[in-house]
Amino acid sequence: GAVVSQHPSWVICKSGTSVKIECRSLDFQATTMFWYRQFPKQSLMLMATSNEGSKATYEQGVEKDKFLINHASLTLSTLTVTSAHPEDSSFYICSARQGRMRGANVLTFGAGSRLTVL
Amino acid sequence: GQQVMQIPQYQHVQEGEDFTTYCNSSTTLSNIQWYKQRPGGHPVFLIQLVKSGEVKKQKRLTFQFGEAKKNSSLHITATQTTDVGTYFCAGMDSSYKLIFGSGTRLLVRP
Repeated sequence: GAVVSQHPSWVICKSGTSVKIECRSLDFQATTMFWYRQFPKQSLMLMATSNEGSKATYEQGVEKDKFLINHASLTLSTLTVTSAHPEDSSFYICSARQGRMRGANVLTFGAGSRLTVL
Repeated sequence: GQQVMQIPQYQHVQEGEDFTTYCNSSTTLSNIQWYKQRPGGHPVFLIQLVKSGEVKKQKRLTFQFGEAKKNSSLHITATQTTDVGTYFCAGMDSSYKLIFGSGTRLLVRP
């Protein structure tokens, strides 16, 4: 089945630094990837939609200059949290859609990246 | 924007009891999906419902999609300790954005 690899699975950084999270579709081409954020015991909040070769579409309230998304290829999307602050500490999860393939409405989720900003 | 509400927030049941979680969208959905997330894990896809009034079963789990394609439910018969986790419904709109409900956390007493 479809597999999405997300790296790193956890990261601790100092306040003010930038952190990059990678999301790769291992056995399929992902025309669209979605980035979610989840605080403890809360639901997944959609941050942005990333389409290969074009600019990401951000949800209302999500700072695009703060959360840089790049989807340069059909198998890789990256999320960079710039100048991270403690309030950015969260669980970031990516998901990928398989384009026009059958079952393309189903998203495959990565295992998530837990970010802790000190 | 689209909102997906889910109740209850928590449910604590005795093993063997049934469990139901309900999901309601503010807009008509192209499909609704259900996910399960274990503590410390990531969401795992359970099922997708597409048709109005659709009912699907997976062993002890029964999923329903409302006639108006705005609400859904998940019912678990005779819960087991392995059912513990948070169950999320997620509504997909016409642009393939998946909006998650708030989730129902299920705890099962052995």
